[in-house]
Amino acid sequence: NAGVTQTPKFQVLKTGQSMTLQCAQDMNHEYMSWYRQDPGMGLRLIHYSVGAGITDQGEVPNGYNVSRSTTEDFPLRLLSAAPSQTSVYFCASSLIPTGGHQETQYFGPGTRLLVL
Amino acid sequence: GENVEQHPSTLSVQEGDSAVIKCTYSDSASNYFPWYKQELGKRPQLIIDIRSNVGEKKDQRIAVTLNKTAKHFSLHITETQPEDSAVYFCIAGAGSYQLTFGKGTKLSVIP
Repeated sequence: NAGVTQTPKFQVLKTGQSMTLQCAQDMNHEYMSWYRQDPGMGLRLIHYSVGAGITDQGEVPNGYNVSRSTTEDFPLRLLSAAPSQTSVYFCASSLIPTGGHQETQYFGPGTRLLVL
Repeated sequence: GENVEQHPSTLSVQEGDSAVIKCTYSDSASNYFPWYKQELGKRPQLIIDIRSNVGEKKDQRIAVTLNKTAKHFSLHITETQPEDSAVYFCIAGAGSYQLTFGKGTKLSVIP
């Protein structure tokens, strides 16, 4: 049971380049999400998904696209990278909140992205 | 939307002393309050959580208290050890799909 995995661990991009950050989980979690972590800002939600084919925006969605074709995978796409997107990106997954009860989120190891 | 304030942003304690981190939240519908620990270069990991139907929860040297009337909750670490050094995040959730993180407290335990 690998939990939540992310690739790559580290990436350097030039402004305007595109790339996809990969996230996968093997816990059969319906809920998956992407956060970015910047110094002094905590973690901020970018996009989330409650199941295959269903995605929604979080707090800071601009510049990022997501799709969810399977329960296991939730890739994050940067279409045209900007220096402001330099950050550490974490993927997380959990069971779906039910009956008003939140479920524990499990985080991946993170991807450190530098945009020059 | 929910707003979570976390204090202090940095905290230094001597090994063996206690550490307290406090958070306030704004949405009265929030009912789930986990705390995550993030060691340098690692992923955030859940250390304890509390739900709104209880006022206090303990797990060995860690405890969390919740005051729903005042909308604040706190993390207490007793007998601190060097391995407790990390960034701690408080979170408020309302049973929805979005959790709101505090900005974190960097705890340093001095041997």
